[in-house]
Amino acid sequence: RKEVEQDPGPFNVPEGATVAFNCTYSNSASQSFFWYRQDCRKEPKLLMSVYSSGNEDGRFTAQLNRASQYISLLIRDSKLSDSATYLCVVNKGTSYGKLTFGQGTILTVHP
Amino acid sequence: NAGVTQTPKFQVLKTGQSMTLQCAQDMNHEYMSWYRQDPGMGLRLIHYSVGAGITDQGEVPNGYNVSRSTTEDFPLRLLSAAPSQTSVYFCASSPSWRTSGTYQETQYFGPGTRLLVL
Repeated sequence: RKEVEQDPGPFNVPEGATVAFNCTYSNSASQSFFWYRQDCRKEPKLLMSVYSSGNEDGRFTAQLNRASQYISLLIRDSKLSDSATYLCVVNKGTSYGKLTFGQGTILTVHP
Repeated sequence: NAGVTQTPKFQVLKTGQSMTLQCAQDMNHEYMSWYRQDPGMGLRLIHYSVGAGITDQGEVPNGYNVSRSTTEDFPLRLLSAAPSQTSVYFCASSPSWRTSGTYQETQYFGPGTRLLVL
C-alpha cells in the first residue's frame, strides 16, 4: 500500500463549481498534514496546512480524519487560476521534516 | 531574499558521467532536502539534512551523494549517471520546529533541475 494515496483525476470542472479531493495515508504516527499546489513544470508550493479541527482559507477548506487516516480538500467557486496539480503531503511521523507526497490530483477548471 | 535557488535548470548527461546539482537557500533554514519527481509518482525523498554536517538517506538514495558543509548549501552529486536517473530534481528547505515554533514543517522548494541521462 502506498504511504499516501490520491485519486489522480483528472478533474475537469466549470468555473464556479465546487470540487473535492480526497487522500488517505497509511502511517498512523504522522503528525502533520498539508496540501501543496504544483503548476505545470513548476515547483510545489504550500497551499495550506491541515489541522485536526479542520481549517478554511478563503475558498479552500481542509479536513482531517485521524481515525480513518483521511484528508480532504474542498475548493468552492472554482476559478480558472485554480487549474493545477494538488499534492497531499504527510510527514513520516517519527522524523520532523521528512515528508511523503502523494502522486497528485490534476484539476482543470474550464470557462 | 532569493529563497531556494537551484542550478542548472536543465542538464543532459551521458550514461556514466558524474555531475553535481547545486542548491542554495538564504533563509537560514536548518533543514534541507532533495527530491526527485517522475511522471505518475509523487516526489520521492533522496537525501535529507537537519543542519550543517548532518545528512541522512531518504527513500531513494542509491546513486546519489550529498554533503552539507554550510547552512546555505546542499549539493547533490550523481556519481555515475544512469538513464533511470532521468527526472526532475527539487531541492527544498524548511526551518526547524524550534525556529518556526510549530511542528507544521512547511517546505520551500527551488525551481527544479530537469535532468536527462542518455
